[in-house]
Amino acid sequence: TQLLEQSPQFLSIQEGENLTVYCNSSSVFSSLQWYRQEPGEGPVLLVTVVTGGEVKKLKRLTFQFGDARKDSSLHITAAQPGDTGLYLCAGGWDSGTYKYIFGTGTRLKVLA
Amino acid sequence: EAQVTQNPRYLITVTGKKLTVTCSQNMNHEYMSWYRQDPGLGLRQIYYSMNVEVTDKGDVPEGYKVSRKEKRNFPLILESPSPNQTSLYFCASSWTGGELPYEQYFGPGTRLTVT
Repeated sequence: TQLLEQSPQFLSIQEGENLTVYCNSSSVFSSLQWYRQEPGEGPVLLVTVVTGGEVKKLKRLTFQFGDARKDSSLHITAAQPGDTGLYLCAGGWDSGTYKYIFGTGTRLKVLA
Repeated sequence: EAQVTQNPRYLITVTGKKLTVTCSQNMNHEYMSWYRQDPGLGLRQIYYSMNVEVTDKGDVPEGYKVSRKEKRNFPLILESPSPNQTSLYFCASSWTGGELPYEQYFGPGTRLTVT
């Protein structure tokens, strides 16, 4: 069974600080997605990375896919209270299945 | 407005009383899926459907049933709910055309409590 582990599980930081969230697997994924979920809502897609070593930027968020396509990271620069939420990585549609595997999640709280 | 809707949003029930959680999408998506979300475990896929009359098990299908008789609807059925099915449930849908991976659109969630 493919697993995606995220770290840290919880993160509480002050506004303006930088942070990095990690998503690791023992399996190779053809692609990884990052979602953000706010309280009372479903997850919303932030980005998809598909090539080993790929780096994508979304304003203050930088996403990287590991060279071996087993891990990914999300770096937030100068965090703001609006970044607060649950961040989830997801891999899927590998090995001929149509399943999605989600990570365990990182709950981020940015204090003003 | 493009959306995935779920009903009910909140449900408290008793062990053994059959229930159905409905899911509907208005985006003409082929792929639909059900997840449950539990603290520390992330989202786990229960069932998914590639199209009408095509369904398959996810990672945690035990105790659940689904059907896909219409493209827009994908109800989740708990024939005999048990307390370990207390969870937050999400329905999601996506296209299946073009390059993988596909963006999933999630509903607002259904919080189920089984006593």
